[in-house]
Amino acid sequence: KNEVEQSPQNLTAQEGEFITINCSYSVGISALHWLQQHPGGGIVSLFMLSSGKKKHGRLIATINIQEKHSSLHITASHPRDSAVYICAGLSNSGYALNFGKGTSLLVTP
Amino acid sequence: GAVVSQHPSWVICKSGTSVKIECRSLDFQATTMFWYRQFPKQSLMLMATSNEGSKATYEQGVEKDKFLINHASLTLSTLTVTSAHPEDSSFYICSALGQGYNYGYTFGSGTRLTVV
Repeated sequence: KNEVEQSPQNLTAQEGEFITINCSYSVGISALHWLQQHPGGGIVSLFMLSSGKKKHGRLIATINIQEKHSSLHITASHPRDSAVYICAGLSNSGYALNFGKGTSLLVTP
Repeated sequence: GAVVSQHPSWVICKSGTSVKIECRSLDFQATTMFWYRQFPKQSLMLMATSNEGSKATYEQGVEKDKFLINHASLTLSTLTVTSAHPEDSSFYICSALGQGYNYGYTFGSGTRLTVV
């Protein structure tokens, strides 16, 4: 069983919709990362957070340490947001990331 | 921002040959480099962790003699897939951990390896 679970696995939205992707983890982590992987494979780090909430443009990430849950929100979604979004937990014991399987997002015009 | 240059972006090789993949951190020093493998529709799986100037630490089930990792400098790490087989076909991606102002994980653009 993966220690980091994401939902949904696939998501299709119309342009302009508000999108939420969820991430739950079962082990203790010191921080959680949200990553964006484009169709070509390249990965961009969106957020690293260990508490509360962070915002960057139309992207918002929240984390609840007690509930071991994080969400990534996209406001006013756009087709260029189409990508795979991955959450990854940084374990308490080291520097390696434990990845979720990703959420494949498609935003249609 | 921090950038990791990974080359090649894709490679096709014959069974039995070796392939070298390079990851170079630009404008920052990466004391630790992580190498991942990703199969279609799967999450990234850590293969090994390398620290500059020391031997890499391999994850369970990853053959260190098959996947040779060299981290000879603070800006360059290489992964060599030796005697490649079709089952080694996958997407390989590196991630560099910077320090100080550049703290954080920066990913390379990945290498699509196809062994025929």
